[in-house]
Amino acid sequence: DAMVIQNPRYQVTQFGKPVTLSCSQTLNHNVMYWYQQKSSQAPKLLFHYYDKDFNNEADTPDNFQSRRPNTSFCFLDIRSPGLGDAAMYLCATSPGRGMARYEQYFGPGTRLTVT
Amino acid sequence: DQQVKQNSPSLSVQEGRISILNCDYTNSMFDYFLWYKKYPAEGPTFLISISSIKDKNEDGRFTVFLNKSAKHLSLHIVPSQPGDSAVYFCAASRSDNQFYFGTGTSLTVIP
Repeated sequence: DAMVIQNPRYQVTQFGKPVTLSCSQTLNHNVMYWYQQKSSQAPKLLFHYYDKDFNNEADTPDNFQSRRPNTSFCFLDIRSPGLGDAAMYLCATSPGRGMARYEQYFGPGTRLTVT
Repeated sequence: DQQVKQNSPSLSVQEGRISILNCDYTNSMFDYFLWYKKYPAEGPTFLISISSIKDKNEDGRFTVFLNKSAKHLSLHIVPSQPGDSAVYFCAASRSDNQFYFGTGTSLTVIP
């Protein structure tokens, strides 16, 4: 049973054309994360939500925005994708409290191609 | 600035032997460390973790060791099995829900 679902798995967008990636979870976790991973690099945290509290990494470009309308869903909006934004985008969740608060559950990722 | 480093991009081990994957970090504020396993076309899967108040945590065939003075942690898999072949990421956190990942080590277990 999929617990963290990302749609679509593959997304092609044009240079400068806004794109939205989506993530949903069935775990009822408090924390949701968005990571960007480029080939042979470490996943890089873009931002995370603790409940409705949004936390942006200092070096996340303004071009990237996020929305979390409810516990289950989180969206990544790329306002004007550039060629350098082509990457795998990973969504993850964690309980945020309790003994397992740091254990993250990842979705399968969305591979974004920018043409 | 890579705060978590995995200096070995790949590792090959014979089935039944021990696999040792290494990870180094630079930020002494990290207080929680995790290992993830990733198969192709899937997201990373949580494997094992350790708090900075411990120096060892064991779960079945997997053991994580933490050396705070050296800012080094390692994952031991024994005995290694072909199904363990995957990319292994280490990650570190400062108790603020921010995680820093290494670049991964690709483990191949040879039957």
